[in-house]
Order: sequence, then C-alpha cells, then structure tokens
Amino acid sequence: AQKVTQAQTEISVVEKEDVTLDCVYETRDTTYYLFWYKQPPSGELVFLIRRNSFDEQNEISGRYSWNFQKSTSSFNFTITASQVVDSAVYFCAFVGGGGSNYKLTFGKGTLLTVNP
Amino acid sequence: GAVVSQHPSRVICKSGTSVKIECRSLDFQATTMFWYRQFPKKSLMLMATSNEGSKATYEQGVEKDKFLINHASLTLSTLTVTSAHPEDSSFYICSARDHRTYNEQFFGPGTRLTVL
Repeated sequence: AQKVTQAQTEISVVEKEDVTLDCVYETRDTTYYLFWYKQPPSGELVFLIRRNSFDEQNEISGRYSWNFQKSTSSFNFTITASQVVDSAVYFCAFVGGGGSNYKLTFGKGTLLTVNP
Repeated sequence: GAVVSQHPSRVICKSGTSVKIECRSLDFQATTMFWYRQFPKKSLMLMATSNEGSKATYEQGVEKDKFLINHASLTLSTLTVTSAHPEDSSFYICSARDHRTYNEQFFGPGTRLTVL
C-alpha cells in the first residue's frame, strides 16, 4: 500500500526566510506520480507540481523548487524568500501503479505560517 | 487550464434532511470524478470514485446508502448526503480526471456542509 508522510505538522517562519517542506513516500510501484498542492484558507486546492517517477530532475518555478530523490523516497518542496501570501496548508500526494487507478493518496499536510 | 466547479459552496441544513452537492467539469469531459471529505485541520480522505455511466466505487468505511453518488454525464457528478446528521458536517471536495491528461486531477473549490 502507498503511504505519504509529511512529518512537519506546522511550520512558522518570518517573511523572507527560506523554508523546506518535507515529503516521504512509500510504494512498491516502479511507476508513479508525485504532486504538491497548496490549500489556502479559502479551501480550494491549488495544483503546484506533478513529477513522474522516471524524472528525477529538480524543478524550479520562481520562488518554488522541488527536490525529488528516489534513493530516499523523498519529494521535498522549498519556498525561497517566503511571503505572507505563502501561508497555507501544503499537501504532498501520490498516484501509483502507473497512475492507472488514478487515486490520489494525500499526506496529512503541513501548515505553513509566514509572519510579517 | 481545466476548471471544475462545485455547487453550492456552502450549505447549512437541519438534521434529517438530504443535501445534494454538484461537481461539474466546465471545459473538459471527465470520465472519472472523485469525492473527498476533509475535516478541520485534517487531510483529504477519498470517499468514492465516480465513473460516468456506472456505479460509484466507495472506499472502505464509507456508507453507500448515506452518500449517494451519481455520475450521469461526462461533466456532472452529484453527491447526496442523505438524512444528514451533525457528524456529517465537513468540507466536501470533488475532483475530475481529464482523460486528455491521463493522471491529472482538477479540484473543485469545495462545499462546506454544516448540519444543525
């Protein structure tokens, strides 16, 4: 069975600090997809990134970057120079089996609070 | 990008009544839609997978007769909470799979149900 662990329940930083959100997954699948979503207080899930298991290249998008390490089954997310608007719950999620079952398994989420 | 809407966004009802929540894919056809439930400060829990033209597949522990799901068209799935009770109060989120983008799930904005 797949499992996604986000060990950090809550993180609080001061604006402009860098922050890394950890995500560790467990699976026996060789083909899978990993995702990060942002959930602001409004509740709507915002898609941030999808990464497939064959692509270990790190990704950077503006202040956001992702570090995928298959060797440690981790898919960590870093926000550089954090801003108050980054305050939200961030979920790491997993789809296994080549995505054929399409079911997303979510981690428990990390509440990020960025203070001015 | 693909857009998924949910209606209503908020609903308050009396105990014992039934509530219907609609999930629509606005600019794509969704052969599969998913219904999630989220308690405060908790992660998303998959309730059921809804396939167009067939019966929904419920996750373990989810009562089929309590949460009726209908996916009558490629753009609409409905979740009916029957004989609602206060413990059914929650945030319900749907997602729709775009068959063109295989593993991509697009999320609706969610419906906050409060049962008095």
